[in-house]
Amino acid sequence: AQTVTQSQPEMSVQEAETVTLSCTYDTSESDYYLFWYKQPPSRQMILVIRQEAYKQQNATENRFSVNFQKAAKSFSLKISDSQLGDAAMYFCAWGVNRDDKIIFGKGTRLHILP
Amino acid sequence: DVKVTQSSRYLVKRTGEKVFLECVQDMDHENMFWYRQDPGLGLRLIYFSYDVKMKEKGDIPEGYSVSREKKERFSLILESASTNQTSMYLCASTPGGGRRDTLHFGNGTRLTVT
Repeated sequence: AQTVTQSQPEMSVQEAETVTLSCTYDTSESDYYLFWYKQPPSRQMILVIRQEAYKQQNATENRFSVNFQKAAKSFSLKISDSQLGDAAMYFCAWGVNRDDKIIFGKGTRLHILP
Repeated sequence: DVKVTQSSRYLVKRTGEKVFLECVQDMDHENMFWYRQDPGLGLRLIYFSYDVKMKEKGDIPEGYSVSREKKERFSLILESASTNQTSMYLCASTPGGGRRDTLHFGNGTRLTVT
């Protein structure tokens, strides 16, 4: 069975610093994709970044970047220059390209310290 | 932008009541999903639907049913609500049809069963 593991239930980072959230997954599929979602206190799930497994280049969206290690089945999220608005629950998720069913990790709550 | 609307933001029901959670999307998406979110457990898939009148069980379907009579609407039904169904419920949709896209989420319904 496919699983997504986020080993850090909570993390804190000083404003303007860099933080890395960990995610590992387990699958025998070859054609899949990975996401990081953010859920702020408003509860609206927001897509942060997406990575196709066939792409070797790590995805980047402004201050957010991933370190995708396909052989190690690792997909960590790096947030640079952390801002107060980055405080949220972050979910790592995995999907396979033959359907749209997406599996989520348990989440990491990120606190930003002013 | 895709809009996914969940009819209630907060809902309080009594044990044994039949509960309907409604979700509507306005972008002609084929696929719709119901997730349950609990602290420490992340998002777990309850049911999903790839087309009108079609439904598939997710990882935790017990105690729930769904209805999709129209493409834009996907209802989650708790036939006889129990206290262990107190949770946050998230509806989501994707275009389907081989168009790889991320989930578009509603704002969630926080259900309390007393």
